[in-house]
Amino acid sequence: GENVGLHLPTLSVQEGDNSIINCAYSNSASDYFIWYKQESGKGPQFIIDIRSNMDKRQGQRVTVLLNKTVKHLSLQIAATQPGDSAVYFCAEKTGDYKLSFGAGTTVTVRA
Amino acid sequence: DADVTQTPRNRITKTGKRIMLECSQTKGHDRMYWYRQDPGLGLRLIYYSFDVKDINKGEISDGYSVSRQAQAKFSLSLESAIPNQTALYFCAIGGRGAADTQYFGPGTRLTVL
Repeated sequence: GENVGLHLPTLSVQEGDNSIINCAYSNSASDYFIWYKQESGKGPQFIIDIRSNMDKRQGQRVTVLLNKTVKHLSLQIAATQPGDSAVYFCAEKTGDYKLSFGAGTTVTVRA
Repeated sequence: DADVTQTPRNRITKTGKRIMLECSQTKGHDRMYWYRQDPGLGLRLIYYSFDVKDINKGEISDGYSVSRQAQAKFSLSLESAIPNQTALYFCAIGGRGAADTQYFGPGTRLTVL
């Protein structure tokens, strides 16, 4: 299933369904955003990024949407797989080459 | 992760000990960062460096120091470790130019008893 709206710390999704992970950012002047995936025991791994002059960007099975009006960022994962189970972080560029990270959403994929 | 290596991967130490965590990279990036991660919290920036001669404090630098020995090496030191410095520590690298993406190492799990 899908979860939209407010940021949730956890998301449980059925294998094969689409996932939507939400993030609210704080600085209206932020011009660059990144989504990271962190698997247990590993460092954050870059998934996809988007600049503020775009509303949408697509990668392989992932789409990032940016709504600057309400300062909201979302990550959509198509056909969620067991390997997608991880913690997902959004990050915004808040200063010169510095990133500010959200608390993360733990995604669990049910078989 | 292979582009950024961190040593040690795990370390248990006692209060008051001096600890050094090391980070090295093979990408030739100018920018290097040290972050700390605590359960339920996002990553917080400790220190960052844009060049060998450039060191900057992040949001939680108290109790930490760094050294940029070469473009490829950036070490983090805890001069006198305390239990609330128990955390996961990540090194990250970033390239020059408009792309501000940062790439992370595998992390060091530090426990201070």
